[in-house]
Amino acid sequence: QVHLVQSGAEVRMPGASVRVSCKASGYIFSDHFMHWVRQAPGQGLEWMGWITPISGVTNYAQKFQGRVTVTRDTSISTVYMEVDMLRSDDTAVYYCARGGRDGYNPVDYWGQGTLVTVSS
Amino acid sequence: DIQMTQSPSSLSASVGDRVTITCRASQTIYTYLNWYQQKPGKAPRLLIYTAFNLQGGVPSRFSGSGSGTSFTLTINSLQPDDFAAYYCQQSYSVPYTFGQGTKVAIK
Repeated sequence: QVHLVQSGAEVRMPGASVRVSCKASGYIFSDHFMHWVRQAPGQGLEWMGWITPISGVTNYAQKFQGRVTVTRDTSISTVYMEVDMLRSDDTAVYYCARGGRDGYNPVDYWGQGTLVTVSS
Repeated sequence: DIQMTQSPSSLSASVGDRVTITCRASQTIYTYLNWYQQKPGKAPRLLIYTAFNLQGGVPSRFSGSGSGTSFTLTINSLQPDDFAAYYCQQSYSVPYTFGQGTKVAIK
């Protein structure tokens, strides 16, 4: 069955960077978009961007353009999300989530989430 | 960006009640509307996709309707396992915005 396993919790200082990984299994990695969604403590869900594993093409919410980079390594079925210039309001649980074969499809499987804490 | 507005933001209901949550889009999204359930400390779970399609494994007491800018999630005969937060999300146009969520609590 489909599994998305994310890397563990991280603590960073403001201004630093963080990279979260998401290893997929149980399906053909290149067939499905991978999305990133975050959730600040006690808040709602915020969509960040997606990557198409087959080509590496990405699409980000304007809010994250230039500060978030999503990449993939097809040889190990893993997607990475890096956030640069971290601020305290980047403290959140970050989820990877499998999409469909195009951007219109919903996300149907989610990783367990990775808590990123930004604090001095 | 397309704004998604859910109502109510919270509600209290009893087991066996019928619950309706509304989601409105700031412009047409046709039927590219999905519903998710989230319990505390857990990742969201897909319930309904493209407005009215029930995701596999989701109980039939959940149903979705609507098109264009107005959508509804209905839970018939609320069960103890249904007390959670519910989010709508449009997948028509990037960024794929979520509603602010509706918390369903026990009355």
